[in-house]
Amino acid sequence: GAVVSQHPSWVICKSGTSVKIECRSLDFQATTMFWYRQFPKQSLMLMATSNEGSKATYEQGVEKDKFLINHASLTLSTLTVTSAHPEDSSFYICSAKRAGDGYEQYFGPGTRLTVT
Amino acid sequence: AQSVAQPEDQVNVAEGNPLTVKCTYSVSGNPYLFWYVQYPNRGLQFLLKYITGDNLVKGSYGFEAEFNKSQTSFHLKKPSALVSDSALYFCAVRDHLGSQGNLIFGKGTKLSVKP
Repeated sequence: GAVVSQHPSWVICKSGTSVKIECRSLDFQATTMFWYRQFPKQSLMLMATSNEGSKATYEQGVEKDKFLINHASLTLSTLTVTSAHPEDSSFYICSAKRAGDGYEQYFGPGTRLTVT
Repeated sequence: AQSVAQPEDQVNVAEGNPLTVKCTYSVSGNPYLFWYVQYPNRGLQFLLKYITGDNLVKGSYGFEAEFNKSQTSFHLKKPSALVSDSALYFCAVRDHLGSQGNLIFGKGTKLSVKP
């Protein structure tokens, strides 16, 4: 149990366009989901935390108007990269916390975004 | 500030030999510590965690980690390395200062196991 999926697994888009990444908890309800960004050969950097039905909390330095996060249900959170630029190219990983499970996060497989 | 340090960028081990991947932490309060493994172009897979109790924690794939409070360390170990263990390993600590329980990650250590 506790499986998290992401879609798409990889995406290539043109500069100036927007792209949406989905994060789903397949077999549990996720009260909280996290979005991370990982640059090549670097660690994961937390971008934002989202709770179902409320606005996301963004980390310092993350543009909330550029990285739109929606957590519309207990099994789905989406990250939309708006007006993408080549510097937004990265590996985006989501994780989810199961309701009642205070300590553990379950990670998705990640989405590779390339902006040309 | 809360932080996690993984002092080695890379660890090289011969197959069959024991391996250690080092991690030290700095947190306020009791640490909740985690190890994850990442294979190329994949998400993170949970290996093990320490919340409370026995200092020696056993996890997936034969890995274990020892919590040492006096040295603020949580080193990952395996008695006999496999080539398939080659991957990127992340140590993480729960951010007690945050309200949502997010994780603070170390920079990662690349483990290379040679036949």
